[in-house]
Amino acid sequence: NAGVTQTPKFRILKIGQSMTLQCTQDMNHNYMYWYRQDPGMGLKLIYYSVGAGITDKGEVPNGYNVSRSTTEDFPLRLELAAPSQTSVYFCASSYAGVGTEAFFGQGTRLTVV
Amino acid sequence: AQTVTQSQPEMSVQEAETVTLSCTYDTSESNYYLFWYKQPPSRQMILVIRQEAYKQQNATENRFSVNFQKAAKSFSLKISDSQLGDTAMYFCAFIRPANAGKSTFGDGTTLTVKP
Repeated sequence: NAGVTQTPKFRILKIGQSMTLQCTQDMNHNYMYWYRQDPGMGLKLIYYSVGAGITDKGEVPNGYNVSRSTTEDFPLRLELAAPSQTSVYFCASSYAGVGTEAFFGQGTRLTVV
Repeated sequence: AQTVTQSQPEMSVQEAETVTLSCTYDTSESNYYLFWYKQPPSRQMILVIRQEAYKQQNATENRFSVNFQKAAKSFSLKISDSQLGDTAMYFCAFIRPANAGKSTFGDGTTLTVKP
C-alpha cells in the first residue's frame, strides 16, 4: 500500500515564487491535514479537510491555500514564497479524524532563499 | 487553546535500559485523546501509542507503555529494553473531539539510544 504520498521531497524556491505541494492518499480517508515543522519544533496545523469540497484553517494558514476536489488529493499552494515559509511540510490523513491514527507522508523539505 | 509541553528537549539511554519521556498538557475538556508519535531520522512520523482519556487503564504496546495521570494532566511514555532503533524524536499530541481531529503537538524530545 502506498499510504500517503507527498511530492516533491525537496524544493528550493526564490522569494516571491509560488508552488504547489502535492498530497495523495489511497486509503479512502475522510480527513486530511497539512502541517509544517520548523527546526527543533513540533508540528503546526496549516489547513485541514473533513471531506471532498470542505476545507478549514488551522493554526498557521497565512500564506497558504488548499483545495479538496477529490477524497484522494489535498494539494497545498504557496503564493509569494517568503523565507519564513522555510520548513518541512507534512501531509497526513485519517479515517474519521478524532481519536484515530493519522498516517503521515514522508514530508517535503522546502527552502525559500 | 490547548497546549502540550515536553520539558525534556534531549535524552539518552543505554541500550536495554528503560527511559521515560514526559508530557504535560493543558485543557478544560474531559473527553480527548493523547498520542505519542516517533520521528526517526528518515522523517517519517509513526504512531507509537494512543490513549483515550475516558479509559483509566494505561495503554501498552509491546515495549512501550504510558503513565496517564488525568488529574495531573500528565502523559509520560516509558520505553523498556531500549533498542538502537528507538533513536528518534518523540512527539506527544493531544486531540479534542470538538476540534474535528486537529492535533496539538509538543515540541518533541530527541532520544538517543547508546550501544
